[in-house]
Amino acid sequence: DSGVTQTPKHLITATGQRVTLRCSPRSGDLSVYWYQQSLDQGLQFLIQYYNGEERAKGNILERFSAQQFPDLHSELNLSSLELGDSALYFCASSVGPSGPTSTDTQYFGPGTRLTVL
Amino acid sequence: SQKIEQNSEALNIQEGKTATLTCNYTNYSPAYLQWYRQDPGRGPVFLLLIRENEKEKRKERLKVTFDTTLKQSLFHITASQPADSATYLCALGPSGTASKLTFGTGTRLQVTL
Repeated sequence: DSGVTQTPKHLITATGQRVTLRCSPRSGDLSVYWYQQSLDQGLQFLIQYYNGEERAKGNILERFSAQQFPDLHSELNLSSLELGDSALYFCASSVGPSGPTSTDTQYFGPGTRLTVL
Repeated sequence: SQKIEQNSEALNIQEGKTATLTCNYTNYSPAYLQWYRQDPGRGPVFLLLIRENEKEKRKERLKVTFDTTLKQSLFHITASQPADSATYLCALGPSGTASKLTFGTGTRLQVTL
């Protein structure tokens, strides 16, 4: 158990709908990352938040947005869903930058499997 | 542009042999490199970290090397077991325009009896 929780575990919805995925990082971790992984594909980085602020952005679609709340949990909002959005969505957390020798070791949650019909 | 390459073809080896996976990168100068294991349908799990000033790191049956001149890391699993079958991802620490850990696409390892 990594200590990162994600809800829901599974989500089935229809095209055009909007969903919200939720992530709670490990206790003490300030950074949260979101990744998308389609079937048999690699991890696609979407976005990173650090202590409530957006820190890095990947190839995140305009239909997707995220935020990190004061209690450090994060939500990923996906709207106007398309069939191609069906994928596993992972959240990961790390301590965050804490000095020149710090590393960005990431701890991943179990993922949310999104199916768009 | 920055690029991480891992063999996209699956590596099939026999139980008991040593598996060697390769991670090559270009246009990066990472301060460290990490290896993760991912099982189907599950999130990646951190295995090992090696810093740029370290040539080799070991943990039980795992060994990682890091050659910053060749821009390559090798990941070895000795005495492979079927339970080692998974996808292994390398990840590079921040460098240049890459402000965070960046993952390769992974290599699938299949260990057979």
